[in-house]
Amino acid sequence: GAGVSQSPRYKVAKRGQDVALRCDPISGHVSLFWYQQALGQGPEFLTYFQNEAQLDKSGLPSDRFFAERPEGSVSTLKIQRTQQEDSAVYLCASNVLLVPYNEQFFGPGTRLTVL
Amino acid sequence: RKEVEQDPGPFNVPEGATVAFNCTYSNSASQSFFWYRQDCRKEPKLLMSVYSSGNEDGRFTAQLNRASQYISLLIRDSKLSDSATYLCVVRLNAGNNRKLIWGLGTSLAVNP
Repeated sequence: GAGVSQSPRYKVAKRGQDVALRCDPISGHVSLFWYQQALGQGPEFLTYFQNEAQLDKSGLPSDRFFAERPEGSVSTLKIQRTQQEDSAVYLCASNVLLVPYNEQFFGPGTRLTVL
Repeated sequence: RKEVEQDPGPFNVPEGATVAFNCTYSNSASQSFFWYRQDCRKEPKLLMSVYSSGNEDGRFTAQLNRASQYISLLIRDSKLSDSATYLCVVRLNAGNNRKLIWGLGTSLAVNP
């Protein structure tokens, strides 16, 4: 079956440009997470949705980062006025229900390079 | 101090060796524990959850020590295909806090 998909897989942006990263979770998955992974680091939490509700956005590094999931399925992570420090892989993950040991399934990520 | 700490390695071991990874976490309210595996330029994938009583899946054994806030992963009879980065992951499960907190990962290279 289809897993989590993300697009684009690669994005090169000029500093100051706005970008939008898309995540298609597994159908029926209630929970959706965005993570940022810099080279040589573990993923860092950005934000979490349960259906269309954004329940935790404590990891968003600045007000230039904005995420939405208006219909409770597809999600978009938008970064305004990109900076070089935004260069990273942005991972999306989803899972069915929030039980303690429920696995999060990850998409392949979008590799963002800001020049 | 990071919330989840791991030795980044790299660990270089021969095929057939037994290797152990350790991880410590700082928040005593942590409720769920996992080991994820990440291959180069790929997304993380769940290797195994870590239960209080310890658990085993084939060549892999995970242990949790809540008193010491310590998690371990043991790999027996290493295979070349085990070469990857192993990420220790913790979740609080408190209220709306569902985020996973990740270690930096431990790099393993299994050599022929």
